[in-house]
Amino acid sequence: EAGVVQSPRYKIIEKKQPVAFWCNPISGHNTLYWYLQNLGQGPELLIRYENEEAVDDSQLPKDRFSAERLKGVDSTLKIQPAELGDSAVYLCASSLGMSSTEAFFGQGTRLTVV
Amino acid sequence: TQLLEQSPQFLSIQEGENLTVYCNSSSVFSSLQWYRQEPGEGPVLLVTVVTGGEVKKLKRLTFQFGDARKDSSLHITAAQPGDTGLYLCAGLGTGRRALTFGSGTRLQVQP
Repeated sequence: EAGVVQSPRYKIIEKKQPVAFWCNPISGHNTLYWYLQNLGQGPELLIRYENEEAVDDSQLPKDRFSAERLKGVDSTLKIQPAELGDSAVYLCASSLGMSSTEAFFGQGTRLTVV
Repeated sequence: TQLLEQSPQFLSIQEGENLTVYCNSSSVFSSLQWYRQEPGEGPVLLVTVVTGGEVKKLKRLTFQFGDARKDSSLHITAAQPGDTGLYLCAGLGTGRRALTFGSGTRLQVQP
């Protein structure tokens, strides 16, 4: 069974430029999460989807961050414009849904803003 | 906001030694999970504990959930270089559906 797939693995952009990350969750997983992880820290939740609905986006900086999960499968996280402080690893995770809290993580996208 | 504090932040030990990592909070969690993360990879689930006082063993790893469900510990017996990594505890608060992660404990086991 394929795991959570994220792309790209690495991205280097100049500040003020836009950037997008893509995530394909495990087939059949209704819940999808985007986490941000700074170096040496634990992941911090940005947004959680139940199917195509964003049910928890309270930690998403909505002035520059946006996310979508069309058709309740793949998801895209966008930053526009990027700032130096956005440099971090962006992790996508999925879980079966209401009956399970076990999260399966992708390898992450390491973003460097210069 | 539910916070999880892990200690120690860093731990460097010799192969064969024992160690314990702690995860503490002032909040009650309905369940708590431990993950291990290697460089360049996402966290991988090791165990989930649900009941206060619960103890689970995974080979040389022993996990305990506090009686009040506010804290947890991970004990590794006879550590091996393959145990090297970032250990993260993550709690699921009552009514919440997303995990709150601790800041992690970075373990280095020297051969």
